[in-house]
Amino acid sequence: EAGVAQSPRYKIIEKRQSVAFWCNPISGHATLYWYQQILGQGPKLLIQFQNNGVVDDSQLPKDRFSAERLKGVDSTLKIQPAKLEDSAVYLCASSSYTGIRANEKLFFGSGTQLSVL
Amino acid sequence: KNQVEQSPQSLIILEGKNCTLQCNYTVSPFSNLRWYKQDTGRGPVSLTIMTFSENTKSNGRYTATLDADTKQSSLHITASQLSDSASYICVVSAYTGGFKTIFGAGTRLFVKA
Repeated sequence: EAGVAQSPRYKIIEKRQSVAFWCNPISGHATLYWYQQILGQGPKLLIQFQNNGVVDDSQLPKDRFSAERLKGVDSTLKIQPAKLEDSAVYLCASSSYTGIRANEKLFFGSGTQLSVL
Repeated sequence: KNQVEQSPQSLIILEGKNCTLQCNYTVSPFSNLRWYKQDTGRGPVSLTIMTFSENTKSNGRYTATLDADTKQSSLHITASQLSDSASYICVVSAYTGGFKTIFGAGTRLFVKA
């Protein structure tokens, strides 16, 4: 079974530039998450999709971050414009959650490491 | 406030030794607790998932315990190997007007030869 695919693996940009990350979840997984992981911290949820609908985007800085999952499969996360504090690893995760939340198992991609200079 | 605190922040042990990592949480109402292993430059990988009624779960050399009364969990690693060097993240989920998942900051484990 193929895992969660993310690209690019690394990205270096200057502040105020734009950047986009791509995620392809495990085939058949309806739920997709984007997390931000700052060095030395645990992942922080940015947005959760169920198929192509947004379930939770309460922690997404909507003035600069946007995400979409138009066909309910792969997803993109965009930052425009980037700030220095956006330097982090952006992790995508998917699950085959079918209604029993207590047993939900997340599968993570390797992440995109973003450096904003 | 829902929080997950892990200790120690980092730990160095010799190969072959055992170690125990701690997780204290204030998340309520509790749904489940998971331990993840995150190798450097990789995404977290699930080790164990425990619900309220479970107090011990093993996965090979990894054994997780849960005390829902004191809101504490531990991850015990037996006969450590160099490949155990990684961050171990405790994750607690709760139903609070929706399903919320709170990640701890992790314990960074270094296993030395």
